Amino acid sequence: QLQLQESGPGLVKPSETLSLTCTVSGGSISSSSYYWGWIRQPPGKGLEWIGIIYYSGGTYYNPSLKSRVTISVDTSKNEFSLKLSSVTAADTAVFYCARRITAVDAFDIWGQGTMVTVSS
Amino acid sequence: QSALTQPASVSGSPGQSITISCTGTSSDVGSYNLVSWYQQHPGKAPKLMIYEASTRPSGVSDRFSGSKSGNTASLTISGLQADDEADYYCCSYAGSNNWVFGGGTKLTVL
Repeated sequence: QLQLQESGPGLVKPSETLSLTCTVSGGSISSSSYYWGWIRQPPGKGLEWIGIIYYSGGTYYNPSLKSRVTISVDTSKNEFSLKLSSVTAADTAVFYCARRITAVDAFDIWGQGTMVTVSS
Repeated sequence: QSALTQPASVSGSPGQSITISCTGTSSDVGSYNLVSWYQQHPGKAPKLMIYEASTRPSGVSDRFSGSKSGNTASLTISGLQADDEADYYCCSYAGSNNWVFGGGTKLTVL
């Protein structure tokens, strides 16, 4: 059974770079059927799509975040990562990683989420 | 890209049916059949309930159904149960390799 697990610092200082990793277990990240994505949810608010990556490294980003986002993949470790630069308090959120089924364009498996707070 | 428009809240009694709307534009919901719906219980990760506007993944109760007409997609839950109380989000492909979520709807089972 495929599982995703987010990891990374829970506290980041303003203007610094937020870095998170999603480890995929129970299956291979190197499948042509899926993209792997990041979604965030500020406290008490809705979901926001951040970006997705293919196992070969191709990426698509939310235009509103594109200038600050980098998503990368490490197939040898079966994991993918998110970097969000120049963070502010507005970036405080629960960050989820998820698998997107290319054929039906939906996120079918999600990690449990990790809370990241931006504060000095 | 603006978020899709959902009602902030809906409610219904056990056994009743409710419908949650998700209104977009001709650039997203209106142009693609790629609308998905997610259920999120407090403190939990979202769960996929509907994809391609009206298809249920394996394991999702047939009490959940989806539809789309023009720029509006809808999620209907029939035979409401207490465990259906959750937040529901729609998501649509918006073209140019971009996706947009709705603002979310809180479902209360009275």
